[in-house]
Amino acid sequence: QTVVTQEPSLTVSPGGTVTLTCASSTGAVTSGYYPNWFQQKPGQAPRALIYSTSNKHSWTPARFSGSLLGGKAALTLSGVQPEDEAEYYCLLYYGGAQPHWVFGGGTKLTVL
Amino acid sequence: EVQLVESGGGLVQPGGSLRLSCAASGFTFSSYWMHWVRQAPGKGLVWVSRINSDGSSTSYADSVKGRFTISRDNAKNTLYLQMNSLRAEDTAVYYCARDRRTGPDVWGQGTTVTVSS
Repeated sequence: QTVVTQEPSLTVSPGGTVTLTCASSTGAVTSGYYPNWFQQKPGQAPRALIYSTSNKHSWTPARFSGSLLGGKAALTLSGVQPEDEAEYYCLLYYGGAQPHWVFGGGTKLTVL
Repeated sequence: EVQLVESGGGLVQPGGSLRLSCAASGFTFSSYWMHWVRQAPGKGLVWVSRINSDGSSTSYADSVKGRFTISRDNAKNTLYLQMNSLRAEDTAVYYCARDRRTGPDVWGQGTTVTVSS
């Protein structure tokens, strides 16, 4: 059973910078896992932020960026805004004979 | 406007069946893969299933394999999830999401499934 691990919670000050990470139990995360990042606020559907490691959707604010960092996928928020307080989820693709996708457990980001 | 609207959720007894639908509009539905993702109350997102653009290829999470079937009708711009042998742990909000082969981008608002006696 593949497990994708994220920090359960992080706190950042307004205007600050924070990095969320996403690790796979199978080993280092590479671009071949096509890491995706999503933001979800209470009572709302998830919103896509980043696809294929570092690509932004047309609606993704410039302060969000994706990368690979130390064998993990990473989401960095620079110049954090109060409205960035939310749950963030990564999603990894596992190819092969039975392709499937696995979400991380989510990171609750508090802006304080 | 690109839109996905789920329907078909409700209360069902353990062991029962339910079929969810996801109506797509504002884009060429037949060109996109589609996913179902669920979220149990107070819990995180869980990927459930994916279907390719013409319906010839499907994938499932181990937790639903053999019980759930994903399908699509490109003429009706609609995605389906047939759920059989439902269990209490299938209780969740079910989202459909579009995928241009890079990951889910546009999501619906979800439909709630409750499995309880």
